Amino acid sequence: SQQGEEDPQALSIQEGENATMNCSYKTSINNLQWYRQNSGRGLVHLILIRSNEREKHSGRLRVTLDTSKKSSSLLITASRAADTASYFCATDGAGQDMRFGAGTRLTVKP
Amino acid sequence: DTEVTQTPKHLVMGMTNKKSLKCEQHMGHRAMYWYKQKAKKPPELMFVYSYEKLSINESVPSRFSPECPNSSLLNLHLHALQPEDSALYLCASSPLSGNEQFFGPGTRLTVL
Repeated sequence: SQQGEEDPQALSIQEGENATMNCSYKTSINNLQWYRQNSGRGLVHLILIRSNEREKHSGRLRVTLDTSKKSSSLLITASRAADTASYFCATDGAGQDMRFGAGTRLTVKP
Repeated sequence: DTEVTQTPKHLVMGMTNKKSLKCEQHMGHRAMYWYKQKAKKPPELMFVYSYEKLSINESVPSRFSPECPNSSLLNLHLHALQPEDSALYLCASSPLSGNEQFFGPGTRLTVL
Protein backbone atom coordinates (compact mmCIF):
# COMPACT_ATOMS: atom_id res chain seq x y z
CA SER A 1 0.00 0.00 0.00
CA GLN A 2 1.08 3.58 -0.62
CA GLN A 3 2.82 5.49 2.14
CA GLY A 4 3.59 8.87 0.66
CA GLU A 5 1.55 11.41 -1.19
CA GLU A 6 3.19 13.70 -3.66
CA ASP A 7 2.18 17.05 -4.97
CA PRO A 8 1.75 18.29 -7.48
CA GLN A 9 0.54 15.23 -9.40
CA ALA A 10 1.79 16.87 -12.59
CA LEU A 11 4.15 19.75 -13.22
CA SER A 12 5.02 21.43 -16.52
CA ILE A 13 7.88 23.94 -16.75
CA GLN A 14 10.24 25.49 -19.29
CA GLU A 15 13.81 24.37 -19.67
CA GLY A 16 16.08 26.29 -17.32
CA GLU A 17 13.43 26.75 -14.64
CA ASN A 18 13.54 25.05 -11.27
CA ALA A 19 11.12 22.24 -10.39
CA THR A 20 9.96 21.54 -6.85
CA MET A 21 8.09 18.40 -5.86
CA ASN A 22 6.76 17.62 -2.41
CA CYS A 23 6.16 14.37 -0.59
CA SER A 24 4.21 13.81 2.61
CA TYR A 25 4.06 10.57 4.55
CA LYS A 26 2.09 9.20 7.47
CA THR A 27 4.26 7.08 9.77
CA SER A 28 7.73 7.38 11.27
CA ILE A 29 10.49 6.59 8.84
CA ASN A 30 14.11 5.46 8.82
CA ASN A 31 14.92 6.70 5.32
CA LEU A 32 13.29 8.61 2.50
CA GLN A 33 14.41 8.13 -1.06
CA TRP A 34 13.63 9.77 -4.38
CA TYR A 35 13.49 7.84 -7.63
CA ARG A 36 12.99 8.84 -11.26
CA GLN A 37 11.16 6.77 -13.85
CA ASN A 38 11.17 7.45 -17.55
CA SER A 39 8.02 6.31 -19.30
CA GLY A 40 7.45 2.57 -18.87
CA ARG A 41 11.01 1.91 -17.75
CA GLY A 42 12.73 0.87 -14.53
CA LEU A 43 13.28 3.30 -11.69
CA VAL A 44 16.55 5.09 -11.10
CA HIS A 45 17.64 6.00 -7.61
CA LEU A 46 18.35 9.71 -7.16
CA ILE A 47 19.05 10.36 -3.50
CA LEU A 48 18.55 8.87 -0.04
CA ILE A 49 18.08 11.00 3.06
CA ARG A 50 18.06 9.48 6.53
CA SER A 51 15.62 10.51 9.23
CA ASN A 52 18.34 12.35 11.18
CA GLU A 53 19.33 14.44 8.14
CA ARG A 54 17.66 17.65 7.05
CA GLU A 55 19.12 18.37 3.64
CA LYS A 56 21.17 16.65 0.96
CA HIS A 57 22.55 17.73 -2.38
CA SER A 58 23.53 15.77 -5.45
CA GLY A 59 24.44 17.75 -8.54
CA ARG A 60 21.35 19.74 -9.55
CA LEU A 61 19.21 17.97 -6.94
CA ARG A 62 18.45 19.24 -3.48
CA VAL A 63 16.33 17.23 -1.05
CA THR A 64 15.01 18.44 2.28
CA LEU A 65 13.36 16.44 5.03
CA ASP A 66 11.17 17.76 7.83
CA THR A 67 10.29 14.86 10.12
CA SER A 68 8.14 17.08 12.35
CA LYS A 69 5.88 17.76 9.37
CA LYS A 70 6.42 14.32 7.86
CA SER A 71 7.34 15.88 4.54
CA SER A 72 10.16 16.09 2.02
CA SER A 73 10.83 18.16 -1.06
CA LEU A 74 12.90 17.54 -4.16
CA LEU A 75 14.25 20.55 -6.02
CA ILE A 76 15.72 20.18 -9.49
CA THR A 77 17.56 23.33 -10.52
CA ALA A 78 18.13 24.52 -14.09
CA SER A 79 15.89 21.81 -15.52
CA ARG A 80 16.54 20.16 -18.87
CA ALA A 81 14.23 18.40 -21.31
CA ALA A 82 15.94 15.14 -20.28
CA ASP A 83 14.56 15.63 -16.75
CA THR A 84 11.08 14.85 -18.10
CA ALA A 85 9.98 11.79 -16.11
CA SER A 86 7.89 10.66 -13.16
CA TYR A 87 9.42 11.25 -9.76
CA PHE A 88 8.54 9.10 -6.75
CA CYS A 89 9.38 9.41 -3.10
CA ALA A 90 9.70 6.19 -1.14
CA THR A 91 9.89 5.65 2.60
CA ASP A 92 10.85 2.79 4.85
CA GLY A 93 10.40 2.52 8.57
CA ALA A 94 10.45 0.16 11.52
CA GLY A 95 9.14 -3.23 10.43
CA GLN A 96 8.16 -1.92 7.03
CA ASP A 97 9.90 -2.20 3.72
CA MET A 98 9.93 0.54 1.14
CA ARG A 99 6.64 2.12 0.05
CA PHE A 100 6.24 4.54 -2.85
CA GLY A 101 4.22 7.69 -3.07
CA ALA A 102 1.85 8.41 -5.93
CA GLY A 103 4.49 10.31 -7.91
CA THR A 104 4.79 13.61 -9.75
CA ARG A 105 4.87 13.65 -13.55
CA LEU A 106 7.32 16.35 -14.60
CA THR A 107 7.38 17.73 -18.13
CA VAL A 108 10.20 20.07 -19.09
CA LYS A 109 9.53 21.88 -22.36
CA PRO A 110 12.54 22.78 -24.52
CA ASP B 1 28.39 -5.45 -13.28
CA THR B 2 26.09 -2.84 -11.75
CA GLU B 3 22.78 -3.64 -13.31
CA VAL B 4 19.72 -5.72 -12.72
CA THR B 5 18.53 -7.64 -15.75
CA GLN B 6 15.02 -8.92 -16.38
CA THR B 7 13.72 -11.32 -18.99
CA PRO B 8 11.61 -11.33 -20.98
CA LYS B 9 11.03 -7.65 -21.78
CA HIS B 10 7.50 -8.36 -22.96
CA LEU B 11 5.21 -11.31 -22.29
CA VAL B 12 1.72 -12.06 -23.56
CA MET B 13 -0.04 -15.01 -22.00
CA GLY B 14 -3.45 -16.56 -21.79
CA MET B 15 -5.27 -17.16 -18.54
CA THR B 16 -4.47 -20.88 -18.62
CA ASN B 17 -0.76 -20.50 -19.34
CA LYS B 18 2.15 -21.00 -16.98
CA LYS B 19 5.10 -18.67 -17.45
CA SER B 20 8.03 -17.34 -15.45
CA LEU B 21 9.74 -13.99 -15.12
CA LYS B 22 13.44 -13.94 -14.41
CA CYS B 23 15.60 -11.39 -12.63
CA GLU B 24 19.36 -11.46 -12.18
CA GLN B 25 21.94 -9.29 -10.41
CA HIS B 26 25.66 -9.78 -9.84
CA MET B 27 26.29 -6.97 -7.40
CA GLY B 28 26.36 -9.24 -4.36
CA HIS B 29 23.11 -7.75 -3.07
CA ARG B 30 21.36 -9.84 -0.43
CA ALA B 31 17.87 -8.35 -0.75
CA MET B 32 15.73 -8.77 -3.87
CA TYR B 33 12.24 -7.50 -4.59
CA TRP B 34 9.29 -7.93 -6.93
CA TYR B 35 7.02 -4.97 -7.63
CA LYS B 36 3.90 -4.63 -9.75
CA GLN B 37 3.18 -1.33 -11.45
CA LYS B 38 0.00 -0.37 -13.26
CA ALA B 39 -0.04 2.52 -15.72
CA LYS B 40 0.34 5.95 -14.09
CA LYS B 41 0.56 4.38 -10.63
CA PRO B 42 3.50 3.88 -8.27
CA PRO B 43 5.16 0.48 -7.93
CA GLU B 44 3.48 -1.80 -5.40
CA LEU B 45 5.64 -4.16 -3.40
CA MET B 46 4.80 -7.83 -3.89
CA PHE B 47 7.63 -9.87 -2.36
CA VAL B 48 10.92 -9.35 -0.58
CA TYR B 49 13.70 -11.90 -0.33
CA SER B 50 16.41 -11.35 2.22
CA TYR B 51 19.40 -13.71 2.19
CA GLU B 52 17.45 -15.93 -0.22
CA LYS B 53 14.56 -16.34 2.21
CA LEU B 54 11.12 -14.88 1.63
CA SER B 55 10.73 -12.18 4.25
CA ILE B 56 7.72 -10.24 2.98
CA ASN B 57 4.67 -11.35 1.02
CA GLU B 58 2.27 -8.47 0.61
CA SER B 59 -0.88 -10.62 0.49
CA VAL B 60 -0.23 -11.47 -3.12
CA PRO B 61 -2.59 -14.06 -4.71
CA SER B 62 -1.16 -17.57 -4.94
CA ARG B 63 -1.23 -17.43 -8.74
CA PHE B 64 2.05 -15.50 -8.29
CA SER B 65 4.78 -17.72 -6.88
CA PRO B 66 8.25 -16.30 -6.19
CA GLU B 67 11.43 -18.32 -6.06
CA CYS B 68 15.00 -17.39 -5.16
CA PRO B 69 17.25 -20.27 -6.32
CA ASN B 70 20.45 -18.44 -5.32
CA SER B 71 21.68 -15.03 -4.23
CA SER B 72 21.85 -13.71 -7.80
CA LEU B 73 18.62 -14.97 -9.24
CA LEU B 74 14.95 -14.26 -8.56
CA ASN B 75 12.04 -15.81 -10.43
CA LEU B 76 8.33 -15.08 -10.44
CA HIS B 77 6.20 -18.02 -11.58
CA LEU B 78 2.84 -17.14 -13.06
CA HIS B 79 -0.14 -19.45 -13.33
CA ALA B 80 -3.83 -18.90 -14.10
CA LEU B 81 -3.49 -15.13 -14.20
CA GLN B 82 -6.34 -12.73 -14.76
CA PRO B 83 -6.49 -9.84 -17.27
CA GLU B 84 -6.24 -7.39 -14.35
CA ASP B 85 -2.78 -8.81 -13.63
CA SER B 86 -1.53 -7.10 -16.78
CA ALA B 87 1.13 -4.63 -15.62
CA LEU B 88 4.82 -3.82 -15.59
CA TYR B 89 6.64 -6.19 -13.23
CA LEU B 90 9.78 -4.72 -11.77
CA CYS B 91 12.59 -6.49 -10.00
CA ALA B 92 15.00 -4.67 -7.71
CA SER B 93 17.93 -5.50 -5.48
CA SER B 94 19.72 -3.76 -2.63
CA PRO B 95 22.73 -4.51 -0.45
CA LEU B 96 20.38 -4.88 2.49
CA SER B 97 16.83 -3.87 3.21
CA GLY B 98 16.61 -0.11 3.79
CA ASN B 99 19.32 0.81 1.31
CA GLU B 100 18.83 2.26 -2.14
CA GLN B 101 17.33 -0.19 -4.56
CA PHE B 102 18.58 -0.92 -8.05
CA PHE B 103 15.79 -1.63 -10.49
CA GLY B 104 15.67 -3.70 -13.61
CA PRO B 105 13.92 -2.41 -16.75
CA GLY B 106 10.83 -4.49 -16.04
CA THR B 107 8.73 -7.07 -17.87
CA ARG B 108 5.61 -5.76 -19.54
CA LEU B 109 3.00 -8.48 -19.00
CA THR B 110 -0.27 -8.73 -20.87
CA VAL B 111 -2.82 -11.35 -19.87
CA LEU B 112 -5.46 -12.09 -22.48
